[in-house]
Amino acid sequence: EPEVTQTPSHQVTQMGQEVILRCVPISNHLYFYWYRQILGQKVEFLVSFYNNEISEKSEIFDDQFSVERPDGSNFTLKIRSTKLEDSAMYFCASRVDSYSNQPQHFGDGTRLSIL
Amino acid sequence: AQKVTQAQTEISVVEKEDVTLDCVYETRDTTYYLFWYKQPPSGELVFLIRRNSFDEQNEISGRYSWNFQKSTSSFNFTITASQVVDSAVYFCALRVNQGGKLIFGQGTELSVKP
Repeated sequence: EPEVTQTPSHQVTQMGQEVILRCVPISNHLYFYWYRQILGQKVEFLVSFYNNEISEKSEIFDDQFSVERPDGSNFTLKIRSTKLEDSAMYFCASRVDSYSNQPQHFGDGTRLSIL
Repeated sequence: AQKVTQAQTEISVVEKEDVTLDCVYETRDTTYYLFWYKQPPSGELVFLIRRNSFDEQNEISGRYSWNFQKSTSSFNFTITASQVVDSAVYFCALRVNQGGKLIFGQGTELSVKP
């Protein structure tokens, strides 16, 4: 069964450094998402992406964050200058389309640790 | 505003017991979708079940069943004859718009003891 893949599984970065989290959504999916989960807390929406542009973003998704689909397969989340509070699990998800009840399929996540 | 509440933070049961996880949602939209996801200790999010707002028929799928009641804005999830492998955090989630973002509840940590 096709799946969403995320790399790396764990990223350790010094505070203030830039980090790029990578995702390969399921190939025929059209909607892409990033979520984060701070340890022990609920999963929070960051941003959704459709037709090569951001369709919605949360308050968390400030100017330090950006997303890109540089080619036909990858979907990346960049954090420009990381802070301690950016430490979390980051999940990428994709969905077939918006006109159905199809679920979002999640990758296994990237655990980001900021030192 | 949309919101999902899972009042049960932790539940502990003994293997083979039935367990029901509660979920209450808030939305003013008339069309919406509800989901349950499982997060085992390994950390990934696994889709379990979904329900449309316009379909209140409750279903059973294997050991899983769900009870969707619009009148009380609840979408409860039951595991029958629980197993140790069911131990995980379970999240209820709501989707209302075309963009499709999910709004998650706080999660319920289920521990099934042998």
